[in-house]
Amino acid sequence: GQNIDQPTEMTATEGAIVQINCTYQTSGFNGLFWYQQHAGEAPTFLSYNVLDGLEEKGRFSSFLSRSKGYSYLLLKELQMKDSASYLCAVVPGANNLFFGTGTRLTVIP
Amino acid sequence: DVKVTQSSRYLVKRTGEKVFLECVQDMDHENMFWYRQDPGLGLRLIYFSYDVKMKEKGDIPEGYSVSREKKERFSLILESASTNQTSMYLCASSLHDRDQPQHFGDGTRLSIL
Repeated sequence: GQNIDQPTEMTATEGAIVQINCTYQTSGFNGLFWYQQHAGEAPTFLSYNVLDGLEEKGRFSSFLSRSKGYSYLLLKELQMKDSASYLCAVVPGANNLFFGTGTRLTVIP
Repeated sequence: DVKVTQSSRYLVKRTGEKVFLECVQDMDHENMFWYRQDPGLGLRLIYFSYDVKMKEKGDIPEGYSVSREKKERFSLILESASTNQTSMYLCASSLHDRDQPQHFGDGTRLSIL
């Protein structure tokens, strides 16, 4: 079976740093995606990791450890517009994705 | 910019009806996907397609079928709608390679009464 665990909700302060964790157990592994989804909108792509290590992209970074089945998304210099759900998704096979249930992040002033 | 267009934003149908949800993408993507999104359950894959006239079952295909007659269009069909199919339905497309992100449509909120 497939399983992805993420915290359901997180709250952080504007200007701070927040780390959203994702642990996975899947039948196969061909990479891990992070998506952002604002309420009532479509998910949008943030990052992709397939090798161990940190990928940095502006204020957002994503880390992967394949041996531990673990990833995190790091958001720096939080802004109010970062309030959204963050979805972790694994590529277990050829092209399909298996999604976690998402983490709802609330940024407070 | 990739554009994935779903035919309806909101749809209300009755139990037992046959329901068609349409999705069109304009970037010549090989892969297309249908998901449903429910609170506490996240995005779950219903069906996907790698090529025209080709389809694969996802994690929850029961009660659904799909059609891909043209590369740009992927249709989801609820053969006989039931109340437990009330949900947000999201279509996505991507290039063939597994490191390519999926691009999502705005979704169709379907209510079955």
